[in-house]
Amino acid sequence: EAEVAQSPRYKITEKSQAVAFWCDPISGHATLYWYRQILGQGPELLVQFQDESVVDDSQLPKDRFSAERLKGVDSTLKIQPAELGDSAMYLCASSLVADPYNEQFFGPGTRLTVL
Amino acid sequence: AQKITQTQPGMFVQEKEAVTLDCTYDTSDPSYGLFWYKQPSSGEMIFLIYQGSYDQQNATEGRYSLNFQKARKSANLVISASQLGDSAMYFCAMISGGGFKTIFGAGTRLFVKA
Repeated sequence: EAEVAQSPRYKITEKSQAVAFWCDPISGHATLYWYRQILGQGPELLVQFQDESVVDDSQLPKDRFSAERLKGVDSTLKIQPAELGDSAMYLCASSLVADPYNEQFFGPGTRLTVL
Repeated sequence: AQKITQTQPGMFVQEKEAVTLDCTYDTSDPSYGLFWYKQPSSGEMIFLIYQGSYDQQNATEGRYSLNFQKARKSANLVISASQLGDSAMYFCAMISGGGFKTIFGAGTRLFVKA
């Protein structure tokens, strides 16, 4: 069964360091989402891609976060420099573009701890 | 403003009993979709059920059903015949027309007792 892949699963870093997360969506899914989920809260959308284009990054802290999906397939989310408050689960999801109300398929997430 | 509210931080249910998890929403868009996801302790989000704003009937998927009350802006999840494996966090989410941005509620943690 097709799955969304994410790596690494766990990342521990010190504040002010740079970190990067990778996501490979389900083949054929043109829409890709990055979410941040702080412990005890629901996921919050950081950025949404349609193919290689950003369609929503209104909640992305652009002074330190960047996201790209150069070929419209896999995607990288980067944080530089990391801050203590960035400790969270980072979830990637994908969905078919044909219907925006389609379910989103989530990857296993990357749990980031900033020391 | 678009908003999802889940007022139950935690719920307990006896195995084999039914349980209702509450969700209310707020949007001014006439077109929207409501979702429920399950998040086990392992962290992945699992899609459970979907209800469109124009759907005339309540959605059902196996043991899951969605009690959709449009006038009250509620979309409660009903789990019938609870199983121990149902113990998890449950999130209500909405996509509304316009920006098609997904917003999630704060979640409800369900504990199923043997």
